[in-house]
Amino acid sequence: SYVLTQPPSVSVAPGKTARITCGGNNIGSKSVHWYQQKPGQAPVLVVYDDSDRPSGIPERFSDSNSGNTATLTISRVEAGDEADYYCQVWDSSSDHVVFGGGTKLTVL
Amino acid sequence: QVQLVQSGAEVKKPGASVKVSCKASGYTFPPYDINWVRQATGQGLEWMGWLNPNNGDTGYAQKFQGRVTMTRITSITTAYMELSSLRSGDTAVYYCARVRADGSFDYWGQGTLVTVSS
Repeated sequence: SYVLTQPPSVSVAPGKTARITCGGNNIGSKSVHWYQQKPGQAPVLVVYDDSDRPSGIPERFSDSNSGNTATLTISRVEAGDEADYYCQVWDSSSDHVVFGGGTKLTVL
Repeated sequence: QVQLVQSGAEVKKPGASVKVSCKASGYTFPPYDINWVRQATGQGLEWMGWLNPNNGDTGYAQKFQGRVTMTRITSITTAYMELSSLRSGDTAVYYCARVRADGSFDYWGQGTLVTVSS
């Protein structure tokens, strides 16, 4: 089955840039979607289909996807960005949705 | 506005079944698929399966095959997820989510806590 690998944690100072990776075999050929989840809340879609953003999501959120790694980039990080972040793809070989294990973003 | 409103928390004994509902409003129920995702305390997101509200077609994660059933009643724009033979490891928050054509989950329910305990 298809596996997505994320680092358990990433730390960044306010105003700096956070990068959260999502590794998967030839993930560059897939559409990757990213979710933000704060404690006690449902996940929220922040980036979809390779760098599109739902309305209300700031331009500070973007992603890139090539080869075996997709990366969510959060520019000018704010305290309110502290959350868990998950990547997600559709694996056509198994007809399954796959989530990464999640990355806890800590704003120092 | 688009909303998915789920049923309330449940406490079940091992071996029992639970049925969680997800009421959709603010959009046309088909053609968007509804997916179910669960999350144990302190753990990541785990996909369970999908439901096509238009024709009732379903697809389940291999892990839940034989234990999960996803259904809908289109007249009341409500989807259901039933999980049987519950065990303690099924204790989790269960979410429904609307799926866009590109496979992203753009709207989520508020979550339903299912506790399995003797």
